[in-house]
Amino acid sequence: DIVMTQSPDSLAVSLGERATISCKSSQSILYNSNNKNYLAWYQQKPGQPPKLLIYWASIREPGVPDRFSGSGSGTDFTLTISSLQAEDVAVYYCQQYYHTPWTFGQGTKVEIK
Amino acid sequence: EVQLLESGGDLVQPGGSLRLSCAASGFSFTTYVLSWVRQAPGKGLEWVSAITPSGTTTYYADSVKGRFTISRDNSKNTLHLEMSSLRGGDTAVYYCVKGGQYSGNYYGLFDYWGQGTLVTVSS
Repeated sequence: DIVMTQSPDSLAVSLGERATISCKSSQSILYNSNNKNYLAWYQQKPGQPPKLLIYWASIREPGVPDRFSGSGSGTDFTLTISSLQAEDVAVYYCQQYYHTPWTFGQGTKVEIK
Repeated sequence: EVQLLESGGDLVQPGGSLRLSCAASGFSFTTYVLSWVRQAPGKGLEWVSAITPSGTTTYYADSVKGRFTISRDNSKNTLHLEMSSLRGGDTAVYYCVKGGQYSGNYYGLFDYWGQGTLVTVSS
């Protein structure tokens, strides 16, 4: 199984400041035939289901604010919130969809400092 | 608008059985892979099972293999999860999730989620 490891487990950031979450996979999730990284990011607010934010490691889902960005390739990925807003308080998960069983990181809780 | 509405969650004793259902609308049901993803109270996300559009191919996490059965009724746009030999570790909110197109090799990408249904396994 591909293990997804996020860091940190939680972080507190001041409003308007940058938040950065790391996600590492235990093996490469870059599919050579199409040069795509099979990595997604989800946001889960309390009491709600997860919401897809980013797929193919860096493509924002329609409607997602452009302060959210994804980067990385192979085994190392990053989710960046460029200017944290109050509504961004949530748990963020990375997920690989390269190979079953599809697996998630343990989640990173983002709070306001 | 894509909608996924789960039902069937309940309190069940260890060793018991339960059937979850998910009514889908707002997309071409027979085009997409569907999955169940669960979340234990206060914990992270765990993919449980998936089924191809025709229903002929199914996938399971090792933790549920042999105990859970996923199926779909394409005439009713409904997804099911039959759960048996339930254990305390199966206690979770179960989400019905729409994946990508089977032909697109990205069907593990979850773009729409239902609100979830709670399964509690306890005596």
